[in-house]
Amino acid sequence: AQSVTQPDIHITVSEGASLELRCNYSYGATPYLFWYVQSPGQGLQLLLKYFSGDTLVQGIKGFEAEFKRSQSSFNLRKPSVHWSDAAEYFCAVASLSVNDYKLSFGAGTTVTVRA
Amino acid sequence: DGGITQSPKYLFRKEGQNVTLSCEQNLNHDAMYWYRQDPGQGLRLIYYSQIVNDFQKGDIAEGYSVSREKKESFPLTVTSAQKNPTAFYLCASSRYNQETQYFGPGTRLLVL
Repeated sequence: AQSVTQPDIHITVSEGASLELRCNYSYGATPYLFWYVQSPGQGLQLLLKYFSGDTLVQGIKGFEAEFKRSQSSFNLRKPSVHWSDAAEYFCAVASLSVNDYKLSFGAGTTVTVRA
Repeated sequence: DGGITQSPKYLFRKEGQNVTLSCEQNLNHDAMYWYRQDPGQGLRLIYYSQIVNDFQKGDIAEGYSVSREKKESFPLTVTSAQKNPTAFYLCASSRYNQETQYFGPGTRLLVL
């Protein structure tokens, strides 16, 4: 069974500074990987996804993520954070079994942006 | 605009009561999902449906029931057997199984 670990529960970053959120996954084959963002009391919005191909993936809102198979990681980055990036971020991994498709989420990382 | 709607935004349940959460999508997606979110935890899968009139249990199906009579709709009933129902419930859909999931705005269920 697949699983996801987000080692940082909470990160505080200054506006304009860079941000990196860590994600480590456990899955036996090449995974499908996702990053979602959730504002308080809202649903999840897809930031980006990796299925195959280029290991550096560009997403919305200026985010990017890099898939590193050797490290089983899919870290999310943004070069310059805006106050509106304050939210909770979830990494997810999907199994590829047709009969048992499942999306497993990490526990999330809360990002606080200080002025 | 295509999207996923969930209603109500807030729902209050009394002891011993069954309540139903609505999820509707107009994206023409085949697959739909229900997740439960608790503070400090990720999302946990309750039920999912890959096609009309068919659904499967997820990781935490006990105390919940679903139906899928129409492609657009996937209502979730929280039964009195669910002893700890207070949570944020999220509905999602995808074009088909194994495709990217898109989420609704959620329903917060509280127990009176």
